[in-house]
This record gives sequence, structure tokens and C-alpha cells, in this order.
Amino acid sequence: RKEVEQDPGPFNVPEGATVAFNCTYSNSASQSFFWYRQDCRKEPKLLMSVYSSGNEDGRFTAQLNRASQYISLLIRDSKLSDSATYLCVVNSWGKLQFGAGTQVVVTP
Amino acid sequence: NAGVTQTPKFQVLKTGQSMTLQCAQDMNHNSMYWYRQDPGMGLRLIYYSASEGTTDKGEVPNGYNVSRLNKREFSLRLESAAPSQTSVYFCASAEGGAVPYEQYFGPGTRLTVT
Repeated sequence: RKEVEQDPGPFNVPEGATVAFNCTYSNSASQSFFWYRQDCRKEPKLLMSVYSSGNEDGRFTAQLNRASQYISLLIRDSKLSDSATYLCVVNSWGKLQFGAGTQVVVTP
Repeated sequence: NAGVTQTPKFQVLKTGQSMTLQCAQDMNHNSMYWYRQDPGMGLRLIYYSASEGTTDKGEVPNGYNVSRLNKREFSLRLESAAPSQTSVYFCASAEGGAVPYEQYFGPGTRLTVT
């Protein structure tokens, strides 16, 4: 079983709509969590950290559910520029584990 | 401020050939990392260097060696390339410390081994 699992998608989203997806992790002792964004054939870049209480950054909302061991990302009012692959990243004792990513395609 | 740079951007090798991938960062970061990314899989850590002068194995170190030449530079060497090493290689750096925070990635090297 992979330590970090994501639905690969693609999630096809009309412009202006809301999309949400989850990431599950297997290590209950994981300490911190992140979402990275990766555009096609480019390097990953940090989108946001995920805090225990949940956090928002503009149109993006991240949630953590420790009991069920998953984190989520919600994108509101999707823009064409949000089309990318979103990588879930979990820190366990100083080691980052990356999910394979969820592809989001925003269509006009 | 270039961030993290990698050379080359693309490379084709024949089985058994060797090559070194170069990585440099200008952010004065202590920690540097080498990852590989394969279709359908997350980035997997090959080697990392928590500080100048130290290197440690990651999840998939077999077939690779690294050198932390100085604080800025961290190179990855394939001594005898195999088709299974066809992948996209990313170098990354971070400030370091007990809890990793943001990692900054280079643009990647696309390697094909035939």
C-alpha cells in the first residue's frame, strides 16, 4: 500500500465551478501536510500548508482529518489557470512523502 | 536570484554509460535533495544532504551516488545507466531544520536510457 494515495483524476471542472479532492495517508504519526502544484512538465511548487484547524488562501481551502487520515483541497470559482496536477505531501519524522498527484482540468 | 538550477535539461544515454546531473541553489539553503518522478508515482527521494559535508540515502538510492560539493552545489551521478533509470530528475533545496517546510525545486532533467 502506498503511504500517500491520491485519486489521479482527471477532474474536469467548468470554469467558475468548485472542485474538491482528497488525499489519504497511512502513517498516523505524520506531523505536517502540504499541497504542492505541478504544471505540465514543470517543477512542483508549494501551494499551501495544511493546518489542523483547516486553512484558506484565497479560493483554496485545505482541511486535515487526522481521525480518518486524509487531507483535502477545495478550489472555489475555478480559473483556467488552476489546471494543473496537485500533489499531496506528508511529513513523517522529517521525511517528505509525495502522492502521485490529482490532475485538475478547468474548461471554458 | 535564479533559485535552483539544474543541468542538463534533457539527456539520452545508452545502457552502461555514466553521467552526472548538476544542481545549484543560490538561496543559502542548508538542505538539498534529489528526487525522481515516474508516471503514476509520487516523487521518490534518491539522496539528500541535510548540510554541507553530509549525505544520506533516501528511498531509492541504488544505482546512484551524490556529492555535496559545497553549500550551493549537489550533484547526482549515474555510474552505469540502466533503462529503469529513465525518469525525470528534480533537485530541491530547503532551509533545513528538524521539520522540513517549503522545498524549492529546479526545473528538472529528463533522462532517457536506451
